Amino acid sequence: DTGVSQDPRHKITKRGQNVTFRCDPISEHNRLYWYRQTLGQGPEFLTYFQNEAQLEKSRLLSDRFSAERPKGSFSTLEIQRTEQGDSAMYLCASSLAYGRRGNEQFFGPGTRLTVL
Amino acid sequence: DQQVKQNSPSLSVQEGRISILNCDYTNSMFDYFLWYKKYPAEGPTFLISISSIKDKNEDGRFTVFLNKSAKHLSLHIVPSQPGDSAVYFCAGARGSGNTGKLIFGQGTTLQVKP
Repeated sequence: DTGVSQDPRHKITKRGQNVTFRCDPISEHNRLYWYRQTLGQGPEFLTYFQNEAQLEKSRLLSDRFSAERPKGSFSTLEIQRTEQGDSAMYLCASSLAYGRRGNEQFFGPGTRLTVL
Repeated sequence: DQQVKQNSPSLSVQEGRISILNCDYTNSMFDYFLWYKKYPAEGPTFLISISSIKDKNEDGRFTVFLNKSAKHLSLHIVPSQPGDSAVYFCAGARGSGNTGKLIFGQGTTLQVKP
């Protein structure tokens, strides 16, 4: 399977706990994105990496959120001191940086976070 | 600041007929528009895209039309099939020289009845 993978698929946690999600992009893709989707809404951009550099962060990404892509391959998204409002589907996507298909992003299946 | 809007939350059509999904945008800086399809418990899947310099792009049963003056795009599915039942998102993006982040609409749930 050469698609985007995410782990875990589901996470239930108690308010105040820390959680970490992992994303493995398509191997030749140098761009990686994190989005968050809540019920009835489209995915909202959170942050973006080109190789290992985090080049943009949304205002949605509070100080409790941190993302890394240490070697330009997989990425992690950590949420500290989770709140009930963090409950959402967290989606990872990857793409090529340039070329005709540079805007086509391939999404993983998402991680469903439930904060109790 | 909803830059991309899909004003119809749902659409129901009969199998074999045309499905038309609509999308409006406000950001005139978008260089590309994309349509994604999403099934429950899966991530969005890319369907078709269109550059802002074109007014039509066709791929099999799927055609996207862009009206820049009206800041409106639509996705036509002909003929519609039951397997097309899903949530459809349109998205706008700046060109690949920028971040390429996608700005999504709220989605339209399409139901195709056999």
